[in-house]
Amino acid sequence: EAQVTQNPRYLITVTGKKLTVTCSQNMNHEYMSWYRQDPGLGLRQIYYSMNVEVTDKGDVPEGYKVSRKEKRNFPLILESPSPNQTSLYFCASTPQGQGNEQFFGPGTRLTVL
Amino acid sequence: AQSVTQLGSHVSVSEGALVLLRCNYSSSVPPYLFWYVQYPNQGLQLLLKYTSAATLVKGINGFEAEFKKSETSFHLTKPSAHMSDAAEYFCAVSVPGRRALTFGSGTRLQVQP
Repeated sequence: EAQVTQNPRYLITVTGKKLTVTCSQNMNHEYMSWYRQDPGLGLRQIYYSMNVEVTDKGDVPEGYKVSRKEKRNFPLILESPSPNQTSLYFCASTPQGQGNEQFFGPGTRLTVL
Repeated sequence: AQSVTQLGSHVSVSEGALVLLRCNYSSSVPPYLFWYVQYPNQGLQLLLKYTSAATLVKGINGFEAEFKKSETSFHLTKPSAHMSDAAEYFCAVSVPGRRALTFGSGTRLQVQP
């Protein structure tokens, strides 16, 4: 089944404790991205990757890191989480070409105390 | 830069009534437009998309949307609401050369029995 998977689905942590949220897709898509969803703000892009070893900032990159060592994986790293990073996070992937659908993972609900 | 405005953060309709969710966009170039649906505790699922072909776009679950360039609108409609349509709906825009989606703030649809 074609899908985007994220782990963990739920995470409660404390300020400053490094964490990684994994994202993996099995559709051989070149483009992957991370979004955060906050009430009343919709989804905002954090980082994206056009292909392996090619990443760039989205609209709200502060406090986040990413890497793209393999085509299928695109982990999101919070080196020193803060409470304002409490949010619902989505990973998405899309194939090459214009106007293509983005396929979303199930989401990771992160709470930083 | 492109943007999306969704009028009405909450919309309530009776079962069997017309559903109308409003979306207006801003873009300096011809856009690609999307409607996504998010059911509780799930990721986003594509309902339909406009990519410069037919201006009336039909999607899944009986939804459709009409691209109106003169009004910069892409409103989502369904003739008869079903209880299972209760969810949050997001309008999103992207432009050629930039695969990132810019989302509206979302509209939560309630369907009353």
